[in-house]
Amino acid sequence: GAVVSQHPSRVICKSGTSVKIECRSLDFQATTMFWYRQFPKKSLMLMATSNEGSKATYEQGVEKDKFLINHASLTLSTLTVTSAHPEDSSFYICSASRTGDRAFFGQGTRLTVV
Amino acid sequence: DAKTTQPTSMDCAEGRAANLPCNHSTISGNEYVYWYRQIHSQGPQYIIHGLKNNETNEMASLIITEDRKSSTLILPHATLRDTAVYYCIVRVVDSNYQLIWGAGTKLIIKP
Repeated sequence: GAVVSQHPSRVICKSGTSVKIECRSLDFQATTMFWYRQFPKKSLMLMATSNEGSKATYEQGVEKDKFLINHASLTLSTLTVTSAHPEDSSFYICSASRTGDRAFFGQGTRLTVV
Repeated sequence: DAKTTQPTSMDCAEGRAANLPCNHSTISGNEYVYWYRQIHSQGPQYIIHGLKNNETNEMASLIITEDRKSSTLILPHATLRDTAVYYCIVRVVDSNYQLIWGAGTKLIIKP
């Protein structure tokens, strides 16, 4: 089946620094990718929809200047957490799909801000 | 998208069939039922989906009631590695594949 690769799987950064998370569709082109955030023992919360070649669509309450999304190609979307703070610590997950097909998910990124 | 209701948690003995129910009483005629699972600290994994008919694949079977208001995911021979949170989601298949995630069912397989 289709594979979505997310990198890194785990990152620890200092407060105030920025962290970039990559999401790649390895064997298909994805015009749309999604970024989710998940707190411990909670369900996935959609943060934004990443569209290739255009601006991302952010969900209500998600700061677009805080969580920068770039979808520069049909196989790569990046999420940059800018000026990270401890409250940004979370599990971030991306997903991608071909048109009319089911969603495929990355393995997730555990971000810890110290 | 229609809302789903699932039990918070379930236990199942290893080797037995695990039956996970899902209610989706407001499902529309063009909405599919999807099942995903999430093992601890991993991304969600697709299991199966269906519209009206029962479906089976190498992982599981999906039984959808005739009125489509509920469904059951069946793992025929549960193993310890099937311990995970199982999510039932209803969604129209279109170009924007946004999924709305409920709380899911925490399935614990016991030896």
